[in-house]
Amino acid sequence: DTAVSQTPKYLVTQMGNDKSIKCEQNLGHDTMYWYKQDSKKFLKIMFSYNNKELIINETVPNRFSPKSPDKAHLNLHINSLELGDSAVYFCASSPDRNTEAFFGQGTRLTVV
Amino acid sequence: AQTVTQSQPEMSVQEAETVTLSCTYDTSESDYYLFWYKQPPSRQMILVIRQEAYKQQNATENRFSVNFQKAAKSFSLKISDSQLGDAAMYFCASWSRPGNTPLVFGKGTRLSVIA
Repeated sequence: DTAVSQTPKYLVTQMGNDKSIKCEQNLGHDTMYWYKQDSKKFLKIMFSYNNKELIINETVPNRFSPKSPDKAHLNLHINSLELGDSAVYFCASSPDRNTEAFFGQGTRLTVV
Repeated sequence: AQTVTQSQPEMSVQEAETVTLSCTYDTSESDYYLFWYKQPPSRQMILVIRQEAYKQQNATENRFSVNFQKAAKSFSLKISDSQLGDAAMYFCASWSRPGNTPLVFGKGTRLSVIA
């Protein structure tokens, strides 16, 4: 049973396209996150949702839009993809806002 | 704002030996948590160990232990009896209460294990 699952694992797309990454957690956690890991392996928070409500929105281009239909799901939609969006995107969840995070397996996005 | 610093981009260790990865952090909060995550080539982020700031005792998980020096804001990870499967990126991270602060990561240390 996968605790935090993301789909797809790999995504290759052309510049200018719109794509979505889906995330689901079956842990019953209230808080979910999106992190971006760049080519130098640096992990940076993008968004955080608590019970479907956006609580953290870091400096991210507005081409990135998270959507949480229920507290078990947090999807990431990206419009007008650019080369610089190429990275690994991680979804994570936690039972509380300040406890350990459980990560999905990551989605490697490559924009060509 | 929280910051986490890992000053060793790369480390190597002989199999069965012990290695220590360094981490320093900065936070203005008194209530916080510290973590070490492992990221093997599979890309999965795996929690190795966690430490609550209010606990004086250093956390231990099998071959992994930490040296938590609160006054110095230092949180190093010691891996004993290193195994080939320990080869990975290791990230130090911190989380502060109260508020909506996210988990903040250091830049990572790439650990190689030499057979």
